[in-house]
Amino acid sequence: NAGVTQTPKFQVLKTGQSMTLQCAQDMNHNSMYWYRQDPGMGLRLIYYSASEGTTDKGEVPNGYNVSRLNKREFSLRLESAAPSQTSVYFCASNPKTSAGNTIYFGEGSWLTVV
Amino acid sequence: GDSVTQMEGPVTLSEEAFLTINCTYTATGYPSLFWYVQYPGEGLQLLLKATKADDKGSNKGFEATYRKETTSFHLEKGSVQVSDSAVYFCALSGGSQGNLIFGKGTKLSVKP
Repeated sequence: NAGVTQTPKFQVLKTGQSMTLQCAQDMNHNSMYWYRQDPGMGLRLIYYSASEGTTDKGEVPNGYNVSRLNKREFSLRLESAAPSQTSVYFCASNPKTSAGNTIYFGEGSWLTVV
Repeated sequence: GDSVTQMEGPVTLSEEAFLTINCTYTATGYPSLFWYVQYPGEGLQLLLKATKADDKGSNKGFEATYRKETTSFHLEKGSVQVSDSAVYFCALSGGSQGNLIFGKGTKLSVKP
């Protein structure tokens, strides 16, 4: 099983450029999330989506937008990248049903903004 | 709001040593508690979890018990291996959307 797949794995951007991180899950999960991981900060929630067509801000949403394209896909867009957005980004999903409530993570996307 | 505090790292141990990584939490209600592990260059993997007080989660020789009275979920392993070298994150389920609130992570290095 592929689980949660995110692309690209590595990306270098110049300040002001835009890009979209793609994420797809094949587990038919309802909820999806984008986190960023920074040294000494743990993981912080950027945005989440409880279901197709809905998105909500997390702890650190500034500078990002998201789209829940369908049940499988949840993309994260940086409209004008800044060096402060240099980070490792993780997409995750959660069945959010009575049968299970465990979050599954993708392998991460390493983004450097220069 | 809800929060997780885990011991600062890095932690360096010799192979076969006993491991404890402390984790305490603050939460309203009764969250589920998790330990995730991140190996170098990889994403986070669920190591174990506990969903209610006094539950013990266990996996790969690691254990943690949900202690409501001390609001703790300490990770333990009796004999660590070099392959256990990784970053360990304690987390709790927060909010109605099922997202996780993470501690800052503890880096473990095990020397042969």
